[in-house]
Amino acid sequence: AQSVAQPEDQVNVAEGNPLTVKCTYSVSGNPYLFWYVQYPNRGLQFLLKYITGDNLVKGSYGFEAEFNKSQTSFHLKKPSALVSDSALYFCAVRDMRSNDYKLSFGAGTTVTVRA
Amino acid sequence: NAGVMQNPRHLVRRRGQEARLRCSPMKGHSHVYWYRQLPEEGLKFMVYLQKENIIDESGMPKERFSAEFPKEGPSILRIQQVVRGDSAAYFCASSPGTGGRGTEAFFGQGTRLTVV
Repeated sequence: AQSVAQPEDQVNVAEGNPLTVKCTYSVSGNPYLFWYVQYPNRGLQFLLKYITGDNLVKGSYGFEAEFNKSQTSFHLKKPSALVSDSALYFCAVRDMRSNDYKLSFGAGTTVTVRA
Repeated sequence: NAGVMQNPRHLVRRRGQEARLRCSPMKGHSHVYWYRQLPEEGLKFMVYLQKENIIDESGMPKERFSAEFPKEGPSILRIQQVVRGDSAAYFCASSPGTGGRGTEAFFGQGTRLTVV
């Protein structure tokens, strides 16, 4: 079984401050991990993924995420948030060992960046 | 290269009617997935299809829901005799046939179904 937890429903930060969106996962084997962002009334846009290799992954729009196997976490970060980063963020996992391709998503974290 | 195209964007159906949701994957993609997003919840997997084959439908309700991905044309998610609880956003995603399970899926803009 595979699952993702996003412990914070909402994150509020001031523009220019660092942004962190938390994600922890559970899989039987090793994980493939993904971050997606959803703007209002839009589909999900892929931000970044961790497959293997370097634990620090860089993605679109200045976002990065750090894979921590011992803590089973994959937190999303941005050093300096913009108002335009306000959106709904989803973490997702796929078990490397499983034979299927389905993603398991967290419930999402709403990020609000105030000017 | 157009992205994943879903239509309609918004669909209103009365209870008991049928809803048909269409998804055209990205060019070159042969894997299609359907997810449902209920209000205040994350996306829940429904079904995974390849051309002319249902690979995994473990997330799809056994009754009233069906999906297909024919050799020609878009993938269709069909909901018969809709009920209010079917009101949700339905997202389609696609990925290429190569690259393995580490390949990211690309999502369409979704169809927002409202049952009245």
